[in-house]
Amino acid sequence: KAGVTQTPRYLIKTRGQQVTLSCSPISGHRSVSWYQQTPGQGLQFLFEYFSETQRNKGNFPGRFSGRQFSNSRSEMNVSTLELGDSALYLCASSSTTSGNTIYFGEGSWLTVV
Amino acid sequence: GQQLNQSPQSMFIQEGEDVSMNCTSSSIFNTWLWYKQEPGEGPVLLIALYKAGELTSNGRLTAQFGITRKDSFLNISASIPSDVGIYFCAGGFTSGTYKYIFGTGTRLKVLA
Repeated sequence: KAGVTQTPRYLIKTRGQQVTLSCSPISGHRSVSWYQQTPGQGLQFLFEYFSETQRNKGNFPGRFSGRQFSNSRSEMNVSTLELGDSALYLCASSSTTSGNTIYFGEGSWLTVV
Repeated sequence: GQQLNQSPQSMFIQEGEDVSMNCTSSSIFNTWLWYKQEPGEGPVLLIALYKAGELTSNGRLTAQFGITRKDSFLNISASIPSDVGIYFCAGGFTSGTYKYIFGTGTRLKVLA
């Protein structure tokens, strides 16, 4: 069974640009959540989607947004990039059959210059 | 951002030694998870805990869900070099959502 797949793995963007990251969850998983990981703040919850609806949102500015499609794939978007947005963005998927556990992908490394 | 207190922050140990780390919170959680992360990769799930007092093992790893539901512990027995990495705890609010608060991490280095 394939794990959580995230694309792209690495990208470099310029301040002010926007970026879209993609996540394909484990087959059958309908919940997708996103986390930001930085050396200073650690792993921080961004938002969670289930059946195309955002169920929960972390404490991030409105520049961070996401969506989920009918096939459970998800994207997150960051607009007007700032240097501080440089981070590893992790996607995790879950389902009721996996208990309350979340399984992570390898992440997308974003560098803002 | 919100993070759980995890200790120790880092540790060097000799191969074969046992390791203990813990995570504490001011909030009550209904799920505790433990992950290991290696450089350049995403966190890998090690153990999941669902009930207060629960003790669960996965090979040389044993974790416990604290009875107050505000803490959790992870033990690694007979450490080996491949145990090197960063270990994270995560406390979960999982009623109608999957939202986890992560610990600050324990960096483990094993000396052969």
